[in-house]
Amino acid sequence: GENVEQHPSTLSVQEGDSAVIKCTYSDSASNYFPWYKQELGKGPQLIIDIRSNVGEKKDQRIAVTLNKTAKHFSLHITETQPEDSAVYFCAARMDSSYKLIFGSGTRLLVRP
Amino acid sequence: DAGITQSPRHKVTETGTPVTLRCHQTENHRYMYWYRQDPGHGLRLIHYSYGVKDTDKGEVSDGYSVSRSKTEDFLLTLESATSSQTSVYFCAITGDRATYGYTFGSGTRLTVV
Repeated sequence: GENVEQHPSTLSVQEGDSAVIKCTYSDSASNYFPWYKQELGKGPQLIIDIRSNVGEKKDQRIAVTLNKTAKHFSLHITETQPEDSAVYFCAARMDSSYKLIFGSGTRLLVRP
Repeated sequence: DAGITQSPRHKVTETGTPVTLRCHQTENHRYMYWYRQDPGHGLRLIHYSYGVKDTDKGEVSDGYSVSRSKTEDFLLTLESATSSQTSVYFCAITGDRATYGYTFGSGTRLTVV
C-alpha cells in the first residue's frame, strides 16, 4: 500500500523567512496530494492541494510543487507570520482509492 | 467545524470497558472516516465508510469496530479499551469522489486508564 514520509518533523523559522516541508510517496499510482494545517486543539484543515497533471500550484503565500518522476512533493510558505505556526500534514491518494494516507506531520514554529 | 460534529470531546475510561465515539454530519456526504492521531505517527486510518452499511478496514483496525446505519452518523466502538488506544480520534467526511478534500471534525481526546 501507499506510504508517505514527511520531513522535517520540526521546523523553526524567523518571521518573514520562507519555510519548506517535503514529502515522498511510494505508490506511483497516487495522483492527489493535499496539505493540511492543524492548529492546537482543532482538526486538520485543507490549505492547498495538487493533482498529478499539475507541477505547481500557488495560493497567495503558499505553494505546492510536485515531482512525479521522483515521487515527492513540497509545501512552500513565503513571508511567514506567527499565525502560520501549526502542525502541517501532507497526504496522498490514488484515484481508485477512497483513502488518504498521511505523513507524520511537521511542527512549524514562526519566531516573531 | 461546520457540518461535522464529534462527541464526546473528551472521555476518560477504564481498561476493558467498551467505548463508543460518534461522528455526526449534516452535509449528506457519502464518505466518512475515522483516524487516530498519535505523536510521531500522524493520522492513521482506522475504518471508513463509503455508504450506509458499507464499511471497510483501514491500517490500524484491530480492536475497533464501526457502524453506519444512517448517512449522517458513523460510530466507532472500542470493544474492550486498552491503554494503547489512548489517542485523539478524528472523524472526516468527503462528498463525491470528484470532491477530494476532507473536512475533519474537532476530535475526541480519549484516555484509557
